[in-house]
Amino acid sequence: NAGVTQTPKFRILKIGQSMTLQCAQDMNHNYMYWYRQDPGMGLKLIYYSVGAGITDKGEVPNGYNVSRSTTEDFPLRLELAAPSQTSVYFCASSYGGVTEAFFGQGTRLTVV
Amino acid sequence: AQTVTQSQPEMSVQEAETVTLSCTYDTSESDYYLFWYKQPPSRQMILVIRQEAYKQQNATENRFSVNFQKAAKSFSLKISDSQLGDAAMYFCAYRSPNAGGTSYGKLTFGQGTILTVHP
Repeated sequence: NAGVTQTPKFRILKIGQSMTLQCAQDMNHNYMYWYRQDPGMGLKLIYYSVGAGITDKGEVPNGYNVSRSTTEDFPLRLELAAPSQTSVYFCASSYGGVTEAFFGQGTRLTVV
Repeated sequence: AQTVTQSQPEMSVQEAETVTLSCTYDTSESDYYLFWYKQPPSRQMILVIRQEAYKQQNATENRFSVNFQKAAKSFSLKISDSQLGDAAMYFCAYRSPNAGGTSYGKLTFGQGTILTVHP
């Protein structure tokens, strides 16, 4: 049982490049989340999904896009990377809205 | 929108002593869920404890307990008999109820409190 798997773990991007952060969970969870964590700070919600085909914006969605075509996968797309997107990105999932969220190991992204 | 505030950026405690981390939140909802997560240097987010707002009894998990004051919108975490392995950043989190509303299913975190444990 892998839980929540994020790839890659580390990535360096040049300004203006694009990339997709992958997130997959094998727990049949319907809720999935993307957060970013800046150094020494809390987690800010980028996007979340309550089921396949349903996504909604969080606090800081600008510069990102998501899709949820399957229950298992919730990729996060960065278009035209900017230095302000340098952060650690966490994907999380939960079963329904009452249980705790399980987190991936995070992706450390640096934009130079 | 719900907000979660942790007013203590850093806290320290001596090994074997007790420490309390503060958390307040703002919401107009009557039913919700609260969580404390621990993030050690490994970056992994680990659930410490959870509390359902409809339950008056405070949650406990071994050395960890909460003081949930619904009217005051306060949710503090008490760590008893602190151990070196408790050193980490701790996050308070709020989850909106399951169905309906614009914040349906959203999970919101506070800014975090860094806990240092001195031997």
